[in-house]
Amino acid sequence: AQKITQTQPGMFVQEKEAVTLDCTYDTSDQSYGLFWYKQPSSGEMIFLIYQGSYDEQNATEGRYSLNFQKARKSANLVISASQLGDSAMYFCAMSLSGNEKLTFGTGTRLTIIP
Amino acid sequence: ETGVTQTPRHLVMGMTNKKSLKCEQHLGHNAMYWYKQSAKKPLELMFVYSLEERVENNSVPSRFSPECPNSSHLFLHLHTLQPEDSALYLCASSQDVRVSTNEKLFFGSGTQLSVL
Repeated sequence: AQKITQTQPGMFVQEKEAVTLDCTYDTSDQSYGLFWYKQPSSGEMIFLIYQGSYDEQNATEGRYSLNFQKARKSANLVISASQLGDSAMYFCAMSLSGNEKLTFGTGTRLTIIP
Repeated sequence: ETGVTQTPRHLVMGMTNKKSLKCEQHLGHNAMYWYKQSAKKPLELMFVYSLEERVENNSVPSRFSPECPNSSHLFLHLHTLQPEDSALYLCASSQDVRVSTNEKLFFGSGTQLSVL
């Protein structure tokens, strides 16, 4: 069975600083995908970034990058130059090949301080 | 216009009431999902529909009854709920049911349900 662990329930970061949100995962499958979603107070889950288990390069999407360390089974999200609008819940999630289920972690609440 | 729309945004109901949650996607996707989000718990997958057929029912109590009349619409019918069913119910869609690992989900804003 797959599992996602996010150990930081909450983080406070000064505006314009970089922030790293931790995510570790557990699976015995070789083919899997890792996602990060952002959930602002409006409730909608917004897709941020994806990393495939066979991708050799770390994924990047604008200010978001995923620090993928396969041997450690970690997939940390790095947000550069944080902005006030980055304040939200952030969820790490994993999918397995051929499986309808996307498994989520418990999330990290990020608050950006002006 | 957002890709996935859910109504109502908020719902308060008594344990003897019957209500329905509605989800509509405008993305031309073939798969739709219901998730339950409770405080301090990971999102729980409830139901998966692919081309209007249910492909997964994740051990959800029968007081939750899904309906998918077409690939754009998904309902969750509620009856005789319990207070512990209070949660945010999120609808999502994807192009297809997850045959590859990079199939991403598009979510609605959810219905915040309170059961009194």
